[in-house]
Amino acid sequence: SYVLTQPPSVSMAPGQTARITCGGNNVGDKSVHWYQQKPGQAPVLVVYDDSDRPSGIPERFSGSNSGNTATLTISRVEAGDEADYYCQVWDSSDHVVFGGGTKLTVL
Amino acid sequence: EVQLVESGGGSVQPGGSLRLSCAASGFTFSSYSMNWVRQAPGKGLEWVSYISSSSSTIYYADSVKGRFTISRDNAKNSLYLQMNSLRVEDTAVYYCARGDYGDHWGQGTLVTVSS
Repeated sequence: SYVLTQPPSVSMAPGQTARITCGGNNVGDKSVHWYQQKPGQAPVLVVYDDSDRPSGIPERFSGSNSGNTATLTISRVEAGDEADYYCQVWDSSDHVVFGGGTKLTVL
Repeated sequence: EVQLVESGGGSVQPGGSLRLSCAASGFTFSSYSMNWVRQAPGKGLEWVSYISSSSSTIYYADSVKGRFTISRDNAKNSLYLQMNSLRVEDTAVYYCARGDYGDHWGQGTLVTVSS
């Protein structure tokens, strides 16, 4: 089965740029979606189809996808960005696959 | 405003059954595929099942195939998950999510399987 690998944690100071990676075999050939989940809340879609942003998501959130790595980039990190982030794809077996999640800590 | 409201969660013994519902409003439910996604306590997201807008296409995670059944009633704007032969490892918050990628999610309903 297809596996997406994310770093368990990323820490950034406010104002810096956070990059959260999502590794998978030829993930660049798939559409990657990213979710933000704050404690006790449901996930929220922040990037879809590699790099598109839903309405209401700040431009500080962006995505890219190439080769074996997709990346969620959060510019000018704020305290309110502290959350768990998950990447997601559809695999070739018509299954949805989530990465293990990355906890973003804003120092 | 798009709203998804799950219900039907609760506590059940191993081997038991539960039926979850997801009531949709604020959009044309019959135009969207839907998914069930779960999250065990302190763990990450795990996809459970997918159903297309017309119910013609259905997929299941290997972990629930043969035990869970997804369905929908477009006339009632509702999504369902029938869960049978429940196991301790099915304990989780269950979310319904709209579309091929979850552009909207409900707040979830907790299912606890314990003896």
